[in-house]
Amino acid sequence: GAGVSQTPSNKVTEKGKYVELRCDPISGHTALYWYRQSLGQGPEFLIYFQGTGAADDSGLPNDRFFAVRPEGSVSTLKIQRTERGDSAVYLCASSDGGIGTQYFGPGTRLLVL
Amino acid sequence: DQQVKQNSPSLSVQEGRISILNCDYTNSMFDYFLWYKKYPAEGPTFLISISSIKDKNEDGRFTVFLNKSAKHLSLHIVPSQPGDSAVYFCAASLKTSYDKVIFGPGTSLSVIP
Repeated sequence: GAGVSQTPSNKVTEKGKYVELRCDPISGHTALYWYRQSLGQGPEFLIYFQGTGAADDSGLPNDRFFAVRPEGSVSTLKIQRTERGDSAVYLCASSDGGIGTQYFGPGTRLLVL
Repeated sequence: DQQVKQNSPSLSVQEGRISILNCDYTNSMFDYFLWYKKYPAEGPTFLISISSIKDKNEDGRFTVFLNKSAKHLSLHIVPSQPGDSAVYFCAASLKTSYDKVIFGPGTSLSVIP
């Protein structure tokens, strides 16, 4: 079956602009996760959803970052007033929740100039 | 403050030999540990996991060992194959929040034919 997909695969933007990153999870998975991976680092937890609600958003670095999952399936990570330090690969994963295996998408590579 | 540490950024091993990847953690409340493998331009894929109530878990060529008193775990790959060349991430989560997975910085493994 289809895995987790993320669009766009690459995004180049200018400092101060607004960006949206999209994640399509595996069908039927109730939990969805966003991570950020900087060069030479492991994925850093940002937020996870159980259904439509954000169950834990403690990893969001500041209020410029926001994520939604209005229908409990597709999720969008939104970044306002982008900064050069936001440049990273943004990974999305989905699972059945709990200790269920998280399946990752290929990521969106964001570059803020 | 890095809670999951992988002190070897890279490792080279001859094909057929054993690969040992090490991981240390600082939070004694971690209850569940995982290893993920990542190829370039792909998302991480789950490899193997271990609960804190066990000290060993084996799956084919992959074995994970957990030493709770030392807050140390290791991944053994025997025999190593060229297709095992990838970045390996150690990760951990708390019993109170299995969904929030904390990743280490990764170790890049090269298996030389």
